[in-house]
Order: sequence, then structure tokens, then C-alpha cells
Amino acid sequence: DTAVSQTPKYLVTQMGNDKSIKCEQNLGHDTMYWYKQDSKKFLKIMFSYNNKELIINETVPNRFSPKSPDKAHLNLHINSLELGDSAVYFCASSQWDSGANVLTFGAGSRLTVL
Amino acid sequence: GDSVTQMEGPVTLSEEAFLTINCTYTATGYPSLFWYVQYPGEGLQLLLKATKADDKGSNKGFEATYRKETTSFHLEKGSVQVSDSAVYFCALSDQGSSASKIIFGSGTRLSIRP
Repeated sequence: DTAVSQTPKYLVTQMGNDKSIKCEQNLGHDTMYWYKQDSKKFLKIMFSYNNKELIINETVPNRFSPKSPDKAHLNLHINSLELGDSAVYFCASSQWDSGANVLTFGAGSRLTVL
Repeated sequence: GDSVTQMEGPVTLSEEAFLTINCTYTATGYPSLFWYVQYPGEGLQLLLKATKADDKGSNKGFEATYRKETTSFHLEKGSVQVSDSAVYFCALSDQGSSASKIIFGSGTRLSIRP
């Protein structure tokens, strides 16, 4: 069973469109995240939810809206897509393990905006 | 704010060579430190971690020691294999809870020649 699964794996769309990426974890973790990885592999946190409550909201355009219907799911909706939104988006969940907060990542969703 | 700086890649080595990837951090308080690895086309996965000064994390022949005096967490392996080719990320967790923010370095691409 996949621990953190995100769909779709690939997404190609035109500028100005709206798209969503879904994420689900079956690990029973309380905290979930969205990270953006650019073409140079730089990884930046976008959002974090703990038990469905938003706890981290980095400087992200308000075209990006996360939603957590329950603690096992964290979806990302993006309005009015721009070229600069092209990236790989990673969902992750975390648990406290031997004194540290350890992340488990999904396989990523590659978004290409044309 | 907290940050992680790691050596720029790419790093190219021959099989069985000794590996060091440098990582230094800036943080208030006492962060936990991590190395994550990303294989091509996959999400990041935890390689090792250390939660307090002088702790040594180790896994799969890799090790790193939490050095508070030099604010460093360098990754080492005595004899690399082709299968170690990947991108390696140093990271820190800024507080002691499952809701903490985890900040990543820029990643170092490692390529091992047979």
C-alpha cells in the first residue's frame, strides 16, 4: 500500500486554467504538507495542516488554496495558472519519531503550464 | 530565520570513492537535523537524522554527526556505489513537535561512475 499518494502524477495545462492536485496518506499522521520543487531541485514549503487546521502558510500567492477535509487528505487548488507555477509539487505527512519530526513524501505531481 | 546551506553540486565520484557532502545550518534554539535522498522520479525519503549535539545518524553506510560548535551536519560514506547516485538534501526541523516546519537545503546531486 502506498503511504502517501498524490494524483495526478503529471499535469499539463494552459495558462489561466484552474487545476487541483489531491493527496491522501494512510499512515495515521496528524500533519500534512505541500512543498514546491523547482527545476533546480530547490524545495520550498508552501502549507502545513495539523488535524485539518492550517498551521504553516508561507508567502504563497493567494491563487493557491489548500483544503483539508480530514486529517488523511490535503488537496491543493491553483487558480489562474501562470508559467512560473510549473514545478513538481510534493505532498508529505509527518510523525514524531525518536525525538524528531520525520517526513514521508509522495512521489510528486509534475505540473507544466504552457 | 532558520536556514540550511549545503555544498553545490553536481558531485561526480568513481565507485568505491569516499564521499563528503557539506551542510551547515543557522537556527535559533536546538533543531533536529536530517539528510533526505531523492532518487530519479521519486519523492524524498529519510536517510538519517540526529536530534541533539554530538548525535551520529547512520543508515546504509552513510553517517553524519550533529556538530553544534560548527553548526554542521556533513554527510559521509566510506565507499560509494553506483546505486547511491541521487540528490541529497540536508534539512532541519525548527521545533520539537510534530507540527514543526522542516527547512531544506538546495540539494546536492551525486553521480557515481562505475
